[in-house]
Amino acid sequence: AQKVTQAQTEISVVEKEDVTLDCVYETRDTTYYLFWYKQPPSGELVFLIRRNSFDEQNEISGRYSWNFQKSTSSFNFTITASQVVDSAVYFCALSDYKLSFGAGTTVTVRA
Amino acid sequence: DSGVTQTPKHLITATGQRVTLRCSPRSGDLSVYWYQQSLDQGLQFLIQYYNGEERAKGNILERFSAQQFPDLHSELNLSSLELGDSALYFCASSTGGSQETQYFGPGTRLLVL
Repeated sequence: AQKVTQAQTEISVVEKEDVTLDCVYETRDTTYYLFWYKQPPSGELVFLIRRNSFDEQNEISGRYSWNFQKSTSSFNFTITASQVVDSAVYFCALSDYKLSFGAGTTVTVRA
Repeated sequence: DSGVTQTPKHLITATGQRVTLRCSPRSGDLSVYWYQQSLDQGLQFLIQYYNGEERAKGNILERFSAQQFPDLHSELNLSSLELGDSALYFCASSTGGSQETQYFGPGTRLLVL
């Protein structure tokens, strides 16, 4: 069975600090996809990034970066120089025939 | 804006009632997914339709049903509602299978009193 664990329940930082969100997953599949979604206070779910299991290259997109390590089944996500608008719940998700979501990490960025 | 629309945004109803939630996918997307988000269960997959056919089922109660119409919009029907059905219901769409990126609608917030 697919499982996604986000051990951090809440993270609070001051603006301009970096925030790293941890995600650990379990799957028996050899091909799978990992995602990060953001849910701001307004409630919608916003897609951030998608990664396939064959591509372990870590990337940076603007203030977002991610670190995918297949050996440790981790897919961590970093927000650099956080801003108040980054305050949201962040979900890591794993796909097979559906998306399995972690419990989410609430990020609060204080001015 | 993801391009996925959901109506209504909010719904308040009583126990035992039946409601219908509606979703229109992004233009060109053939797959529609329904998810339920509640405080105790988190985000749970309910059901997927692909081009009008049921593709996958998750933790969907027998009191719940869904369908996807020829114009690809989808409806989620919730009947014999209970207090515990109060939740945020999301629709998502993708071009094809679930390994494609799913884009989510704004959700329907259901309150059962």
